Amino acid sequence: EDKVVQSPLSLVVHEGDTVTLNCSYEVTNFRSLLWYKQEKKAPTFLFMLTSSGIEKKSGRLSSILDKKELFSILNITATQTGDSAIYLCALTQGDSGNTPLVFGKGTRLSVIA
Amino acid sequence: DARVTQTPRHKVTEMGQEVTMRCQPILGHNTVFWYRQTMMQGLELLAYFRNRAPLDDSGMPKDRFSAEMPDATLATLKIQPSEPRDSAVYFCASGQGPALFEQYFGPGTRLTVT
Repeated sequence: EDKVVQSPLSLVVHEGDTVTLNCSYEVTNFRSLLWYKQEKKAPTFLFMLTSSGIEKKSGRLSSILDKKELFSILNITATQTGDSAIYLCALTQGDSGNTPLVFGKGTRLSVIA
Repeated sequence: DARVTQTPRHKVTEMGQEVTMRCQPILGHNTVFWYRQTMMQGLELLAYFRNRAPLDDSGMPKDRFSAEMPDATLATLKIQPSEPRDSAVYFCASGQGPALFEQYFGPGTRLTVT
């Protein structure tokens, strides 16, 4: 059965720390991996990754994909309390991009002042 | 600032009642998804549409759930009769294909069935 596993399930850090969130997967016909941030409401899109070894970066957040070892990491540097959220990893499969997301259970990050 | 809208935002109903949730995708997006989020199962797909045609509804209990897209600006998810185990947050998401795209989520409908 296809699956997406995120670790750790939860994490508490202090402001200024750097964190690494992990997402490993076992799916057939992988197409893309996406990271979302979910605060109190809807997931908001962070990154889409399709190629191994190419880092995507946005401010203090960055992500990279390893298609050989079947995992991705999301890094957050100089964390702030506003980074507190659930971070979701999701995949799409198939030959067409218009396919549903398969989600992991998420990593709950808490950043304390 | 284009965004997906959903109504109602919150719904409390009694077991056995009909519930209808509505979604307006981002204008021009041709693919619409319904997801359900619970603490135990996380986010799971219920159904999705492309160009208003249903492509997959295998995630829905067919005897009580139905999803439709009467036009390009409206998607509906209906539960009849509702049960306490249906309590969850229901998200609608939309995206533009056919190339790879990110899905944009609506604010969700928090459903509580007592």
